[in-house]
Amino acid sequence: NAGVTQTPKFQVLKTGQSMTLQCAQDMNHEYMSWYRQDPGMGLRLIHYSVGAGITDQGEVPNGYNVSRSTTEDFPLRLLSAAPSQTSVYFCASSYSRASDTSYNEQFFGPGTRLTVL
Amino acid sequence: GESVGLHLPTLSVQEGDNSIINCAYSNSASDYFIWYKQESGKGPQFIIDIRSNMDKRQGQRVTVLLNKTVKHLSLQIAATQPGDSAVYFCAEKTRGNEKLTFGTGTRLTIIP
Repeated sequence: NAGVTQTPKFQVLKTGQSMTLQCAQDMNHEYMSWYRQDPGMGLRLIHYSVGAGITDQGEVPNGYNVSRSTTEDFPLRLLSAAPSQTSVYFCASSYSRASDTSYNEQFFGPGTRLTVL
Repeated sequence: GESVGLHLPTLSVQEGDNSIINCAYSNSASDYFIWYKQESGKGPQFIIDIRSNMDKRQGQRVTVLLNKTVKHLSLQIAATQPGDSAVYFCAEKTRGNEKLTFGTGTRLTIIP
C-alpha cells in the first residue's frame, strides 16, 4: 500500500490564484481530514470527512473548500489564495470515526508546502 | 476553552538516557490522548494513545502516563537513540467530536 499520498510537495502561488491540493489513500479508510501546520504551532484541523459524500468543517475552514466524491480521494481547494494561507498542509485518514471504545490511528501524508506571495 | 499545551519547547538528552516529554490539557471531556512524532520534512507518525480511563500504557520503549487530577500527560522514551530526534506532539480527542486538538510540540534532540 502507498498509504496517504499528497501532491504537489511544494507550490508557490500569487495572491488571488486558485489551486487544489490532492490527497489520496489506498487503505479504504472512511475518515479523512486536512490540517495546516504553521511554524511554532501544532496542527489545526481545516475540514474532515467521515465518508464519501459527507464533509464537515474543522477549526479553521475559512478560505478552503473540500469534497469527497470517492472513498479514496479528498481534495482541498483554495479558491483565492491569500498570504495567510502560507503553511504546510497535511492530509490524514483513518478506518472510521473514533468510537468510545477505541482510537483509530490517523495516518498522515508527507505534506504540501504552500507559499502564497 | 480547550487547550493542549507543552511545558518545554525543546529538550536535549544524551543518547542512551531516558527522556520525558510533558503535556498539559484543559478539556475534561477528552476521551483519548495521543502522542505523535514528526521528523523533519515528514508528516506526523502515531506513537501511542491512551484512553482517559487509564493511567498508564506501555509500548516499545515508550510509556505514556496520564494524571487526570492535574490534567497532565507525559511521554517517556527509554534508552534514547539518534532516531528519536524529532518534534513530539500530544493531541486530544473529545468524545463525540472528530477533531484532534494538537499541542505546539516539543523538539527532542539526542546528543551523541
